[in-house]
Amino acid sequence: GQQVMQIPQYQHVQEGEDFTTYCNSSTTLSNIQWYKQRPGGHPVFLIQLVKSGEVKKQKRLTFQFGEAKKNSSLHITATQTTDVGTYFCAEDNQGGKLIFGQGTELSVKP
Amino acid sequence: GAGVSQSPSNKVTEKGKDVELRCDPISGHTALYWYRQSLGQGLEFLIYFQGNSAPDKSGLPSDRFSAERTGGSVSTLTIQRTQQEDSAVYLCASSLGRAATIYFGEGSWLTVV
Repeated sequence: GQQVMQIPQYQHVQEGEDFTTYCNSSTTLSNIQWYKQRPGGHPVFLIQLVKSGEVKKQKRLTFQFGEAKKNSSLHITATQTTDVGTYFCAEDNQGGKLIFGQGTELSVKP
Repeated sequence: GAGVSQSPSNKVTEKGKDVELRCDPISGHTALYWYRQSLGQGLEFLIYFQGNSAPDKSGLPSDRFSAERTGGSVSTLTIQRTQQEDSAVYLCASSLGRAATIYFGEGSWLTVV
């Protein structure tokens, strides 16, 4: 079945270091969405990428969609303690079902 | 309402009992989703509604799970004869439609003892 693989599962960084999480699929993705879930909270939408090679930025966050639309990444520059949480990628399978990756849990040591 | 509302927020039930979880989506949102998240795990798709119909029920773990949506609004997820492995957070989300941003509720924490 359809699967979106996300790596790494965990990432521990020192405050100020950069962080990247990757999302990979064996099939071409129609679009990719990114969500953040704070500890004890619910997932919150961050961004959606649709176009091949698309790059979008939100302050210290940079989102990329691969040229072949089979992978995506989220990069955080100079992490802060407020970045702590689990980051999920998700794909709309065109049937309306949003398939989530397993998530990358980020911890930031002050 | 302003956001997706779920109730109860917490539920402790005895093994074998039935439970009903309710979701009230954002007004005007035609799409409604149910996900399950076990402790420290990812989001497991359960079911998706477009209006009152559920084109995809493939994620329901067993026939003990069922969901309905009436009036294109409120949805109820029912778990019959609960088992300990059903313990999880059940998250509801809604959106304006396909490929639109989905908004999650706070979730219903279910503990089966």
